[in-house]
Amino acid sequence: NAGVMQNPRHLVRRRGQEARLRCSPMKGHSHVYWYRQLPEEGLKFMVYLQKENIIDESGMPKERFSAEFPKEGPSILRIQQVVRGDSAAYFCASSPPGVPGEQYFGPGTRLTVT
Amino acid sequence: DQQVKQNSPSLSVQEGRISILNCDYTNSMFDYFLWYKKYPAEGPTFLISISSIKDKNEDGRFTVFLNKSAKHLSLHIVPSQPGDSAVYFCAAGTGNQFYFGTGTSLTVIP
Repeated sequence: NAGVMQNPRHLVRRRGQEARLRCSPMKGHSHVYWYRQLPEEGLKFMVYLQKENIIDESGMPKERFSAEFPKEGPSILRIQQVVRGDSAAYFCASSPPGVPGEQYFGPGTRLTVT
Repeated sequence: DQQVKQNSPSLSVQEGRISILNCDYTNSMFDYFLWYKKYPAEGPTFLISISSIKDKNEDGRFTVFLNKSAKHLSLHIVPSQPGDSAVYFCAAGTGNQFYFGTGTSLTVIP
């Protein structure tokens, strides 16, 4: 049973470009969470999704950031017109139905904006 | 506004001794608490959890204690092993949203 997969592991973008981060949850998990970790800080919740639905996006910046979890395929976190302050590690986690607290994390995508 | 705080950024412990990692939270509505362990270049790994209806949960060498009146939880590792060296995050929340602390880096000295 493969764990949570994230790709790419490292992503370099120039200011103004778009970044797309992908997350495939564990088999049988229908809940996906995205977190951001800035240097010297803890994990900050961004968004919680179930298949085809955004349940809670209260942690996501209102502009330039969007997330989706389509019926088929991975969850995508999209950052448009990236800025240097977007440089961070982005972690995806998944959980099985009914157990939202026990989240299983992927290895993360480290985004560097130059 | 940090709702979950881990005030000790680092901790060193001799192998075989007890490691105690602490965590404080501010929101009395939080009803589920978790500890994660993280190695460099990897995602956090779930360790142990506790709900607000309990004050202690044990899993092998790991025990989590919850003091709701003090809004404080702690993770005890006994006996500590060199492989336990990692960053430990506590998380607290309710429903779907969980808030993470900034982590405590534990070093277990052989």
